Amino acid sequence: QKEVEQDPGPLSVPEGAIVSLNCTYSNSAFQYFMWYRQYSRKGPELLMYTYSSGNKEDGRFTAQVDKSSKYISLFIRDSQPSDSATYLCAMSPLGAQKLVFGQGTRLTINP
Amino acid sequence: GAVVSQHPSRVICKSGTSVKIECRSLDFQATTMFWYRQFPKQSLMLMATSNEGSKATYEQGVEKDKFLINHASLTLSTLTVTSAHPEDSSFYICSASSGGAITQETQYFGPGTRLLVL
Repeated sequence: QKEVEQDPGPLSVPEGAIVSLNCTYSNSAFQYFMWYRQYSRKGPELLMYTYSSGNKEDGRFTAQVDKSSKYISLFIRDSQPSDSATYLCAMSPLGAQKLVFGQGTRLTINP
Repeated sequence: GAVVSQHPSRVICKSGTSVKIECRSLDFQATTMFWYRQFPKQSLMLMATSNEGSKATYEQGVEKDKFLINHASLTLSTLTVTSAHPEDSSFYICSASSGGAITQETQYFGPGTRLLVL
């Protein structure tokens, strides 16, 4: 069993829709949770960074962490074609920088 | 701020040759740099962690004699794939952080280097 599970998709939604992306994990030591966006043939770009449980909002993006369920989510409101990319969740334990990534979900927003 | 560059962006080489990839932090001092490999439609797999001035720490299953990592300064790390073979063809991505190995600092990723070994 992988430490971090993420549905690879692909996921295709119409422009303006609310997108929900999710990851589950098995290691209860994970304390830091991140979402990265990766465009084709590019390096990942940090979108959201959350410590422990709770919600964090940044513009059209909301990250949620439910440590009791070992489940994290990224919501994208008013999705735009420019949001089309692969979204990777990543996490790490307290006091360590080593990131464990999910497989990534390929998202397409159709105009 | 927090820009990381990689060079070259793409390289094609013959089997048996060695390839060097550079990773630079352009506007901050990177105490720690990480090297990842990403196969098509798969996630990033950490290969090794390097701290400036010390030997790199390799992940299980990564051959340290094949993937030589040097972190000679606070802004530069290099990955050399020695005697490359077709199975080494992949997307290599570095990341850099201003924190030490046990601190929690954001990693900033480079744009990646696509290696194709013929």
